[in-house]
Amino acid sequence: DAGITQSPRHKVTETGTPVTLRCHQTENHRYMYWYRQDPGHGLRLIHYSYGVKDTDKGEVSDGYSVSRSKTEDFLLTLESATSSQTSVYFCAISARDRVRNEQFFGPGTRLTVL
Amino acid sequence: TQLLEQSPQFLSIQEGENLTVYCNSSSVFSSLQWYRQEPGEGPVLLVTVVTGGEVKKLKRLTFQFGDARKDSSLHITAAQTGDTGLYLCAVPASGGSYIPTFGRGTSLIVHP
Repeated sequence: DAGITQSPRHKVTETGTPVTLRCHQTENHRYMYWYRQDPGHGLRLIHYSYGVKDTDKGEVSDGYSVSRSKTEDFLLTLESATSSQTSVYFCAISARDRVRNEQFFGPGTRLTVL
Repeated sequence: TQLLEQSPQFLSIQEGENLTVYCNSSSVFSSLQWYRQEPGEGPVLLVTVVTGGEVKKLKRLTFQFGDARKDSSLHITAAQTGDTGLYLCAVPASGGSYIPTFGRGTSLIVHP
């Protein structure tokens, strides 16, 4: 299994509070991604990183920010959590072979915003 | 934007039955991946197919890439309860993008 962990695994928070989710990898992969998964919507990309300090937006980036100061860590921050951000969040890593681009996912963080 | 359509969306079968799920698009891809996601866990890569017409087998699972590299199928023989999960297909980022495309998945339930 790819060495990828997420913390926390579960979190309950209140509307308006800041929340930071952490993704940590031991594979030294260049590319890291944050997705959210909701019933009826599948996996949706929030933000991704293509190197240290290099990040960009995905399709559902509003209300989220990210940071990557080290190869191994990719942080997702909800500046002011809203109930619509209740979801399961997955981090993924990829070595991005141009032909294959296989992704390896973490175990997920279940976030509930009350 | 690359669009992947997976069918059926839901599938409920009895243990021992065979099934096939599909991943279709109008675009040509350099490769295609299949993932399985069990309840409460992250998706896990099952296989990557690269060559048009390629067939790969993983125990009771048979994956095929279409000759034109626009579609793929996953066939499960004699399904078991452990096959229950969400099956996702995905294709790599195209051009200069870093963003892969995922289908919405086929949710499979295998009843004992």
